[in-house]
Amino acid sequence: GAVVSQHPSWVICKSGTSVKIECRSLDFQATTMFWYRQFPKQSLMLMATSNEGSKATYEQGVEKDKFLINHASLTLSTLTVTSAHPEDSSFYICSASIQRDNNEQFFGPGTRLTVL
Amino acid sequence: GEDVEQSLFLSVREGDSSVINCTYTDSSSTYLYWYKQEPGAGLQLLTYIFSNMDMKQDQRLTVLLNKKDKHLSLRIADTQTGDSAIYFCAEALYGGYNKLIFGAGTRLAVHP
Repeated sequence: GAVVSQHPSWVICKSGTSVKIECRSLDFQATTMFWYRQFPKQSLMLMATSNEGSKATYEQGVEKDKFLINHASLTLSTLTVTSAHPEDSSFYICSASIQRDNNEQFFGPGTRLTVL
Repeated sequence: GEDVEQSLFLSVREGDSSVINCTYTDSSSTYLYWYKQEPGAGLQLLTYIFSNMDMKQDQRLTVLLNKKDKHLSLRIADTQTGDSAIYFCAEALYGGYNKLIFGAGTRLAVHP
């Protein structure tokens, strides 16, 4: 099946530093990748949608200068949380989509970010 | 606007059937999905239904869609302790890149 990996699986950083999270589709080429944020016991909130080689489309209320998304290839997208603060602590999940009948999104295992 | 709602918690006895309900507001949805999330993990697609279908069965899972009432349900037959998890329904909106709108998730607890 289609496998999506994320790295790192968890990260702890100091306030003010930047953190990069990688999302890779391991055995398929993803036309589109999505980045979600999940707070404890809450749903996933879509942050942005990205297509390879083009700028990401951010959802309303998501600061594009704070959450930098780079989609360099059909198998890799990165999310960089710049100048992280404690309120950025969350579970970040990516997904990758293939253009086929059900437009299924395949989800990565998530990255838990804790900002001290 | 786009909104998906679910009840937050369901407790069932092992061996019984579980029914998780979901309502959505956007009538332009193309596909509706059920995902399962275990603690500390990502989402696993359980099943999906195309918006022009009423029902889909896949082994222990039955999905019912009432498009008129914008109501979706997931029935799990013979619920097992391994089914304990959070279940999210999601709708894919027509157009764009099939953005998914998720419900808040229903926590299913299965007890002996």
